[in-house]
Amino acid sequence: EIVLTQSPGTLSLSPGERATLSCRASQSVSSDYLAWYQQKPGQAPRLLIYGASRRATGIPDRFTGSGSGTDFTLTISRLEPEDFAVYYCQQYVTSWTFGQGTKVEIK
Amino acid sequence: QLQLQESGPGLVKPSETLSLTCTVSGDSISSASYHWAWIRQPPGKGLEWIGAIYYSGTTFYNPSLKSRVTLSVDMSKNQVSLRLRSVTAADTAVYFCARQVAHFYYYLDVWGKGTTVTVSS
Repeated sequence: EIVLTQSPGTLSLSPGERATLSCRASQSVSSDYLAWYQQKPGQAPRLLIYGASRRATGIPDRFTGSGSGTDFTLTISRLEPEDFAVYYCQQYVTSWTFGQGTKVEIK
Repeated sequence: QLQLQESGPGLVKPSETLSLTCTVSGDSISSASYHWAWIRQPPGKGLEWIGAIYYSGTTFYNPSLKSRVTLSVDMSKNQVSLRLRSVTAADTAVYFCARQVAHFYYYLDVWGKGTTVTVSS
């Protein structure tokens, strides 16, 4: 099973700052099979990025996904108040797994 | 607009079977482009993919849960169902159903709101 390790566990930033979230896979993952989700308390996850870098419908362009192989990154260029949430990466190779999440909190 | 709604008992006794249903509205589950997945999230923890089913009945399971999980479809009701046998407290979680894209790209693009299941005597 491929393990996804997200770092940092918690990111404390102020609105307007840039957030950089990392997702590292224990084995190489096809970029086509790497996605990112945002989850707010009491809500279901929301798809942000698929194919490592493709924004889902309605996702603002301040969200950017990048990376390949075993290292992937989600960047939020300027944090808006509604962006403070938990972010998960997800992969598929032979089965589906998620990272443990990165919480972006207000500093 | 596609909507998914999970339903089922909120409380299940240890060693019994957890049964949940996901009702899909706004699209047919017989769409050839999608699978229908279940994901769960224990309190305060991350997400775990349980499995997915195609309208034809083809199933895909998380290896760690495969021995206890059965997914099924009811096309007449546009529903997918989850059965998880021999539950323990570790199965306490919010259970989500989601539409799964698994063609060229692999992701979960539409989610239900989730339903909380507690395993307790």
